[in-house]
Amino acid sequence: RKEVEQDPGPFNVPEGATVAFNCTYSNSASQSFFWYRQDCRKEPKLLMSVYSSGNEDGRFTAQLNRASQYISLLIRDSKLSDSATYLCVVNRNNAGNMLTFGGGTRLMVKP
Amino acid sequence: DAGVIQSPRHEVTEMGQEVTLRCKPISGHNSLFWYRQTMMRGLELLIYFNNNVPIDDSGMPEDRFSAKMPNASFSTLKIQPSEPRDSAVYFCASSRLGGLYEQYFGPGTRLTVT
Repeated sequence: RKEVEQDPGPFNVPEGATVAFNCTYSNSASQSFFWYRQDCRKEPKLLMSVYSSGNEDGRFTAQLNRASQYISLLIRDSKLSDSATYLCVVNRNNAGNMLTFGGGTRLMVKP
Repeated sequence: DAGVIQSPRHEVTEMGQEVTLRCKPISGHNSLFWYRQTMMRGLELLIYFNNNVPIDDSGMPEDRFSAKMPNASFSTLKIQPSEPRDSAVYFCASSRLGGLYEQYFGPGTRLTVT
């Protein structure tokens, strides 16, 4: 079983749609969780951290369910510029430096 | 501020040749990471350094791979000898020390071994 699993997609949605991505992780000791975004042929960039209580940043909402070892990302009112691959990321060690990246979920927003 | 700098951006080499990838982390960052990304395996951590000291190299595929960080502003990843299966995008990332800090990635080196 992979340490971090994601549906690779692609998710094809129209502009303005709401789309949700899910991710499961296997290491119950993980403490830090993130969503990174990677545009085609570019480097990954942090989109947002994921907190236990859930957190929101504009049109983006991230949630964590520790009991189910499940992380989600919700994008509301999707824009063409949201088209990218979204990587679910979990820390691997107590110091938190080592990150495990999921395979990514590809999102394509169409006009 | 300059981000993480990697060179070269593209490298094409023949099987058996030595390849050296270079990275300059963001000034003030104490942690440096080398990753490899392929379609089949996704993004994998190869090795990371804290304060120039290698902490975990369990992701390094085999002895053909080696990494050094002689000072706080420079790191290299070397493959000797290179093989076609080493073809991938190699990213260097840096962060402040500690798990809650964002890792900033460089633009990557696209390596093709023929």
